Amino acid sequence: DTGVSQNPRHKITKRGQNVTFRCDPISEHNRLYWYRQTLGQGPEFLTYFQNEAQLEKSRLLSDRFSAERPKGSFSTLEIQRTEQGDSAMYLCASSLVQWRSETQYFGPGTRLLVL
Amino acid sequence: KQEVTQIPAALSVPEGENLVLNCSFTDSAIYNLQWFRQDPGKGLTSLLLIQSSQREQTSGRLNASLDKSSGRSTLYIAASQPGDSATYLCAVRDAGGSYIPTFGRGTSLIVHP
Repeated sequence: DTGVSQNPRHKITKRGQNVTFRCDPISEHNRLYWYRQTLGQGPEFLTYFQNEAQLEKSRLLSDRFSAERPKGSFSTLEIQRTEQGDSAMYLCASSLVQWRSETQYFGPGTRLLVL
Repeated sequence: KQEVTQIPAALSVPEGENLVLNCSFTDSAIYNLQWFRQDPGKGLTSLLLIQSSQREQTSGRLNASLDKSSGRSTLYIAASQPGDSATYLCAVRDAGGSYIPTFGRGTSLIVHP
């Protein structure tokens, strides 16, 4: 399977715990995005990387959230001291920018439930 | 700040009908617009991407049009099938240099046999 993969697919945790999600993009894609989606809403942008550089972060990304893409390949999103409001689907997408054209390809998401 | 609205929020139709889903955006200075499909509990699948210089794109039974001046895009689905049941989302990327797409809340479509 050469699509975007995310692990784990589901995570249940207790409030206050730390969680880490992983995203493996399509291999030649240079951009990687993280989004959060709650029920009945469209995805909300969190952050994105161009290769290993984190170029933009949303105001939604509080100090408890951190993302890395150390070698310009896979990425991790960590949430520290989780809160119930963090419960959502976390989506990763990758893309390859060519000739000013860019199509994002999404992974299946990681569904987080904070108890 | 770009705002994207999708109407209707939900739609239930019998199989075989032709459908029009609407997406409107407040800032017409866009780079491109992309339509996605999302099945329950799953990620998004790209359907069509329209660059700002284009008026429409077609893929199979799907046709998406773009009217930047009026801030609108429509997704036309011909001869709908039960397998088309999903949520359809549009995302707009602004022309101002930010690569951040703004998504609408989606139209939830049910096509019943």
